[in-house]
Amino acid sequence: SQQGEEDPQALSIQEGENATMNCSYKTSINNLQWYRQNSGRGLVHLILIRSNEREKHSGRLRVTLDTSKKSSSLLITASRAADTASYFCATKGRNYKLTFGKGTLLTVNP
Amino acid sequence: GAGVSQSPSNKVTEKGKDVELRCDPISGHTALYWYRQRLGQGLEFLIYFQGNSAPDKSGLPSDRFSAERTGESVSTLTIQRTQQEDSAVYLCASSIGSGGDEQYFGPGTRLTVT
Repeated sequence: SQQGEEDPQALSIQEGENATMNCSYKTSINNLQWYRQNSGRGLVHLILIRSNEREKHSGRLRVTLDTSKKSSSLLITASRAADTASYFCATKGRNYKLTFGKGTLLTVNP
Repeated sequence: GAGVSQSPSNKVTEKGKDVELRCDPISGHTALYWYRQRLGQGLEFLIYFQGNSAPDKSGLPSDRFSAERTGESVSTLTIQRTQQEDSAVYLCASSIGSGGDEQYFGPGTRLTVT
């Protein structure tokens, strides 16, 4: 079964609004990563947060991690139409494997 | 520099035929991964190569699936006697060694089995 589960499955907002996506996982992790996928093709790495970190920022992205609740959130501020994509969280344990969730489909309406 | 490339970008094949998908990782990346993504789903891990170590084939769904990698370069994923349920996007990724946290993905091969 998938380690990460994103919530919501789909999100539709207006340009300029903030978008928040959540990810829950089940087992202990080394780090958690967020990826973006446009049009069902290759994924692009957005941000990585390690298990000993609680919050991380990158441009308009803010990621939080709560290891006690085994959950993470990705906040995209001041969204743009170009942010329309699917967003996946992926967890990494001690080994090399990344385990992906099913993703959140974000639609930003102009 | 060049990213991960995959070919073909699209492949339509008849049920029962064999297909071969190719992945060229980023130069210098020793780790290579194959994933399958069915429509509207997340990524399923298929196989992992790390340098000259034995690959981790634990994600291959059946013995119709196989993959090879020549050293630290090109990899091919072969699906024999394709079935309709094999229709999916096949994604390849590479990273800097087994400790590489970030994976760099290719654009994928969309396989359609008719």
